[in-house]
Order: sequence, then structure tokens, then C-alpha cells
Amino acid sequence: DTAVSQTPKYLVTQMGNDKSIKCEQNLGHDTMYWYKQDSKKFLKIMFSYNNKELIINETVPNRFSPKSPDKAHLNLHINSLELGDSAVYFCASSPQLGGNTIYFGEGSWLTVV
Amino acid sequence: AQSVTQLDSQVPVFEEAPVELRCNYSSSVSVYLFWYVQYPNQGLQLLLKYLSGSTLVKGINGFEAEFNKSQTSFHLRKPSVHISDTAEYFCAVSGGDYKLSFGAGTTVTVRA
Repeated sequence: DTAVSQTPKYLVTQMGNDKSIKCEQNLGHDTMYWYKQDSKKFLKIMFSYNNKELIINETVPNRFSPKSPDKAHLNLHINSLELGDSAVYFCASSPQLGGNTIYFGEGSWLTVV
Repeated sequence: AQSVTQLDSQVPVFEEAPVELRCNYSSSVSVYLFWYVQYPNQGLQLLLKYLSGSTLVKGINGFEAEFNKSQTSFHLRKPSVHISDTAEYFCAVSGGDYKLSFGAGTTVTVRA
């Protein structure tokens, strides 16, 4: 059983398209996150949700919109994709906010052409 | 806010040799510290963490790290590496703002 699962794992799409990445965790955690890993492997938080409530929203373009239908799911929708959006996107979860281990999914490799 | 500096971007090492990956952090509040490993084309896996208590923390795959508050460091060590330890290693810190901030990563390449 994969604790944090995200789909798709690989996604190649054209500039201007809209795409979504789905994430589900079966750990019963309250908090979920989206992280972005750029081509230099630098990891940066994008969003954090706690019990379906947005807690952290870093300086991410508003073309990126997270949606949390319930606390086990946090999807990421990206509008009008740009070349610079090419990256690996990691979903993650933790039992609560702060001071806990964060468990990561396997990543979604997005390539915009 | 807190930040992390990984002092070595690349560490080549021979098989069965020891390795140390250096990590320094800065924070104005108490922190929690983590080391994650990322194998090629895979996700992040937790190696070990320091939340409180003993400053010497043992993790999976024979890794250990020592929290040094006075030097604001959390260096990762392994006494004898294997080829399979070739990966990217990330130090991370979590403080009062609920964010996990990562260092830039250290690429470890183990050679026979």
C-alpha cells in the first residue's frame, strides 16, 4: 500500500494547456502539501492544507490552484502551462502541522514543451 | 523563518569508505531537523530526524546524525558506504512556521 500516491507520474504537455495532478494519502494525516523540485533539484513548498483549510500559500502564480475535497486528497491544477513549470511536483502529508515527519509521494514529472 | 545550508554540493566516495554530509541551519526558534534521501528518479525517503532528546540520532541504512545546537549543525554520517547509497541527500528544518525548508542537496556518488 502506497502511503502517499500521486498521479500521473509522468506528464508531457504543450504550453498553454491546463493539467491536474492528483494526490491521495491513506495515513489518516490532517495536513497535506505540494512541493516543487526544479531542474537544480531545489525543493520548495508551494501549498499546505490542514483539514482541508489552506494554511500555507507561498508566492506561487495564481495559475496554480490546489483543491482539497477532503483531508485525504489534495489535487493540484495548473492553468495555462508555461515552459518554466517543468519540474517534479511532490505531494506530501504529515500527521499535523509543525514538528512532524513529512511523508512524500513518488513525485510527478511534468514536462512542458 | 529558518534556512538550511548544505556545505557540499557533491561528495564522491569509494565503496566501504566513511562519508559525512554537512548541514548547518539558522533559526530564531527551536527546530526539528531531518535528512531525506532521493534515489535517482524516485521520491523522498526519510533517513532520520531529530525532534528532541538525544543529540545522536540513528536512522535507516546505517546512517546517523548529530544535532549540535551550539554550532547549529546536523551532519549526517555513515561509517561504510555501499554502491546503493548513491543518491541525493537533503537536509531539512522545520520551525514555528509549519514549513519544511530544504537545503540545496548533496549528491553522493559511491565508486567501486
